[in-house]
Amino acid sequence: DQQVKQNSPSLSVQEGRISILNCDYTNSMFDYFLWYKKYPAEGPTFLISISSIKDKNEDGRFTVFLNKSAKHLSLHIVPSQPGDSAVYFCAASARNTGNQFYFGTGTSLTVIP
Amino acid sequence: EPEVTQTPSHQVTQMGQEVILRCVPISNHLYFYWYRQILGQKVEFLVSFYNNEISEKSEIFDDQFSVERPDGSNFTLKIRSTKLEDSAMYFCASSSTDLGYTFGSGTRLTVV
Repeated sequence: DQQVKQNSPSLSVQEGRISILNCDYTNSMFDYFLWYKKYPAEGPTFLISISSIKDKNEDGRFTVFLNKSAKHLSLHIVPSQPGDSAVYFCAASARNTGNQFYFGTGTSLTVIP
Repeated sequence: EPEVTQTPSHQVTQMGQEVILRCVPISNHLYFYWYRQILGQKVEFLVSFYNNEISEKSEIFDDQFSVERPDGSNFTLKIRSTKLEDSAMYFCASSSTDLGYTFGSGTRLTVV
């Protein structure tokens, strides 16, 4: 049962433009969300998080938006840079189910110079 | 910046053999995890460990798997009798609270 879904396996964006990566979840109990970035042969690297009490969190070029009613979150990267090319995973957890995070299947972002 | 260290980076083993994957979490972290990613598939949760015991495990984490924190610094994942389908990248992670993790760079396990 895939509780966290990333329906776009890949995305290509021109350098300097906005990259928008989307993530949907089914469990309304999820209250904490993260985005991870993963380069080939490396472990995932934490990028940005958001808790359910907020609808937006910004960190430099990265902004995460949370729409609880739609059970949807998105990661915006502005402006996109070639070094942003990686696989991006969203992950979600619910405090009352312990520390297990549920990961999406990932979206491979390619930023074209 | 503190790191989670995993060794070896690549392990090749024969089917049926035992393997131990090693991890050194960040020293003041209290929660420890193993995840795996089969090539081309999603990252899957295996097990979480807190206060010297397993706090949660997935269906994947069957009797062939075990975890241990033998000396207060290392955190190991043992697979007793490896199968071909155990070939994957195995990631260790640790956290100080229940908010976000620091991942290691992974061990690529190849079962032949």
